[in-house]
Amino acid sequence: AQSVTQLGSHVSVSEGALVLLRCNYSSSVPPYLFWYVQYPNQGLQLLLKYTSAATLVKGINDFEAEFKKSETSFHLTKPSAHMSDAAEYFCAVRGAQKLVFGQGTRLTINP
Amino acid sequence: DAGVIQSPRHEVTEMGQEVTLRCKPISGHNSLFWYRQTMMRGLELLIYFNNNVPIDDSGMPEDRFSAKMPNASFSTLKIQPSEPRDSAVYFCASSSRDSPLHFGNGTRLTVT
Repeated sequence: AQSVTQLGSHVSVSEGALVLLRCNYSSSVPPYLFWYVQYPNQGLQLLLKYTSAATLVKGINDFEAEFKKSETSFHLTKPSAHMSDAAEYFCAVRGAQKLVFGQGTRLTINP
Repeated sequence: DAGVIQSPRHEVTEMGQEVTLRCKPISGHNSLFWYRQTMMRGLELLIYFNNNVPIDDSGMPEDRFSAKMPNASFSTLKIQPSEPRDSAVYFCASSSRDSPLHFGNGTRLTVT
């Protein structure tokens, strides 16, 4: 069965600093991986997805993620954090007809 | 496209009352999912449908919960009778083979 583990339920960075949110996956088949973002009082929105094409995936708002099979990882990064990036971020892997989500990482941006 | 539409956005009800949450998926999407989100348990998949047929309802917590999808453009999640521990944000999401999962803005349910 597919699963994802997000390392760190809460990450805090300064404005302008690098953002790194960690996600490791477990999958018995080549995985389809996703990052979603949830702003307060909203549903989840797709940031980016990996579907076995390029290993470095670029998403919206300058986020990107790199698929590393050897490390079973799909970490999310952004070079320079902005105050508007404060939100909860979810990593997900596609299982049989459904997505399996991680527990989420809350990102706080310090001015 | 208007996206996934959920109603109501907020629902406050008393324990023991029936609650019905509604969802209109994105046109052309053939899979529909109901999730529940709480601080304690995070995001939980309750049930999902494929082509209006329930595929997996193993996440439905109790018999008090039921979901229907009478047609491709409408689904309901019903709780009867409701209890305070059902208080949560309930999300509906839809997808298709060629489109990733899209979420609605959720219904915040408070049961007093």
